[in-house]
Formats: sequence, C-alpha cells, structure tokens
Amino acid sequence: ETGVTQSPTHLIKTRGQQVTLRCSSQSGHNTVSWYQQALGQGPQFIFQYYREEENGRGNFPPRFSGLQFPNYSSELNVNALELDDSALYLCASSPISGGADEQFFGPGTRLTVL
Amino acid sequence: GQNIDQPTEMTATEGAIVQINCTYQTSGFNGLFWYQQHAGEAPTFLSYNVLDGLEEKGRFSSFLSRSKGYSYLLLKELQMKDSASYLCAVSPADTGGFKTIFGAGTRLFVKA
Repeated sequence: ETGVTQSPTHLIKTRGQQVTLRCSSQSGHNTVSWYQQALGQGPQFIFQYYREEENGRGNFPPRFSGLQFPNYSSELNVNALELDDSALYLCASSPISGGADEQFFGPGTRLTVL
Repeated sequence: GQNIDQPTEMTATEGAIVQINCTYQTSGFNGLFWYQQHAGEAPTFLSYNVLDGLEEKGRFSSFLSRSKGYSYLLLKELQMKDSASYLCAVSPADTGGFKTIFGAGTRLFVKA
C-alpha cells in the first residue's frame, strides 16, 4: 500500500509568482485535504476535495485554489504569492468524506516566498 | 468561533508519565483527534475520541470530556523518541465535519 506522496519537497518562489503543489493520495482514499502549517503553528485547513469536488473550505482567499483528478490525486494552486505564504503545505487523505476519520498526511512541500 | 488551547512546551524525563492538556471552544464537533509530529515530518494519527471517557492504546491514552470542553493525552513510560509536537484537533459539526481545526501543538522534550 503506497502512502501519501507530495511534490516537490522544497520550492522557492518570488512574490507575485504562481505555484502548483501536487499530492497523490493513499490507495483507496477518495478524500484529500490541504493544510498550511507555519513554523511553530498547527496545520490550518485550506480546503477538502471529495470525488473531484471542493467539499469544504477554510479562511483562505480565492487565490488559493485546487483540483482533484479521477485517480483522486490533487493539486493546490496559489496565485500572486505573498511573503506570508511561506510555510509547509501538507496534503492529507482519508477514506471517507468529512472529518470523522483518521487522516494520513504526506511529507509536505516547504514553500519559501522571497 | 473555534479555539483550541494547548501548552506551548513541556519537558519530562525518560520513563516518566506526562499529561498534555487541550481545551477547546466550539459549538459542537464530531470527535477530537490527537496527532504526533516530529520535527520536519508530517503529523501521524494517535487517537480519536467521540464519546466521553478514556481510550487506551498501548503507552498512549486519550481522554475526552465534552461537557468540560477538555481533553488530554497521557503518555506513559516515556522514551526519547517521544520528543515531538502533539497536536489536538477537532472537526466542528457546524462546518459539516469537513474542516479539521488544529491547535498550535505542544512541544514535548524528553530528557534522559
């Protein structure tokens, strides 16, 4: 059974640029959630995708958007990058929709915005 | 709104027992999670409490009291490898249960 994978591992961008982060969910999981984790803080929920539809969203502006594909892999896109977007971006998959289940996290993508 | 409060840091000795507390303010939630996160790594699931009471799983136990808005994670027979951040999280019912809210985490240092 393959776990959750994310790419790239690290990324450096400049303000105003756009970035795409990728996530492959664990085998058999159809739900993917994205989180932003700043240094010393807990993960902050960005949004969740279930069967290719956005299922719920946290307090993030529209320049944070996502996709889920038929194989349940997912992308997180961030436009017009700001310095405060520098963080660890975590993807988590779960076998059912909603929060009532264990989530399996990927290793994360460390984004630095200069 | 939803707030989760945990102590920022704790230090304990190898072989001892430590209790990490979590208090929360939310109108209702499906359940309460505890995750462990080693520095530079992803969070890993430890426990999920739905009903009030104590759930035991090996050296780790988690307790929930919905009426008091309180949970704790109990770690017994501490080992050096238990040095990590411990994250308390809830899935609020008023968000459809889709959103998981994490606390800032408690950094536990285990010393010899």
